[in-house]
Amino acid sequence: DAKTTQPPSMDCAEGRAANLPCNHSTISGNEYVYWYRQIHSQGPQYIIHGLKNNETNEMASLIITEDRKSSTLILPHATLRDTAVYYCIVRVGGGGSNYKLTFGKGTLLTVNP
Amino acid sequence: NAGVTQTPKFQVLKTGQSMTLQCAQDMNHNSMYWYRQDPGMGLRLIYYSASEGTTDKGEVPNGYNVSRLNKREFSLRLESAAPSQTSVYFCASSRLAGGPWGETQYFGPGTRLLVL
Repeated sequence: DAKTTQPPSMDCAEGRAANLPCNHSTISGNEYVYWYRQIHSQGPQYIIHGLKNNETNEMASLIITEDRKSSTLILPHATLRDTAVYYCIVRVGGGGSNYKLTFGKGTLLTVNP
Repeated sequence: NAGVTQTPKFQVLKTGQSMTLQCAQDMNHNSMYWYRQDPGMGLRLIYYSASEGTTDKGEVPNGYNVSRLNKREFSLRLESAAPSQTSVYFCASSRLAGGPWGETQYFGPGTRLLVL
């Protein structure tokens, strides 16, 4: 699976959009970009994933650059409850060891009142 | 739906004691996973079960055993607990294991284990 690079921490004001970047310059053509988050002391929570097109769901939007070497997770109106560690994961499906999710250190997003 | 549930939430063991961590999911998922998370580190896969009746080792299987009891339940057993197994344990499930392009995993709330 491709390696990802994320900033260790970011701050955002409540009510504003939070834009979390992720670099995955070695991504392969059949690898998806996944975003999970982990609120303190809870299990990781799936947010969104995409291959090459931009994606949106009720939680967030995912913008993937045309060359697929980086992506941005957008939380349009951040709330205090969005304070969490956000993980960008790139993985290919299939069998064997691809079953696991490789969580790096992620980005600690702190939403301030 | 409760999603993925885990019991117990907290446990303290003495070195050498055994225990079983329970996990159940009500989403009719085929695949289930056990991870551990140590302070300041990401999650590491211990064991997984791609489908009912099958189990396979992950990255860190030593000291653990698993049982896929049925489609809903996947248990993790520590036969002789060691202080190095102090961690937070997460169970997860997914509709399919891997799949053509990867599958979303849904996680339980975790079990916090302290081995003295």
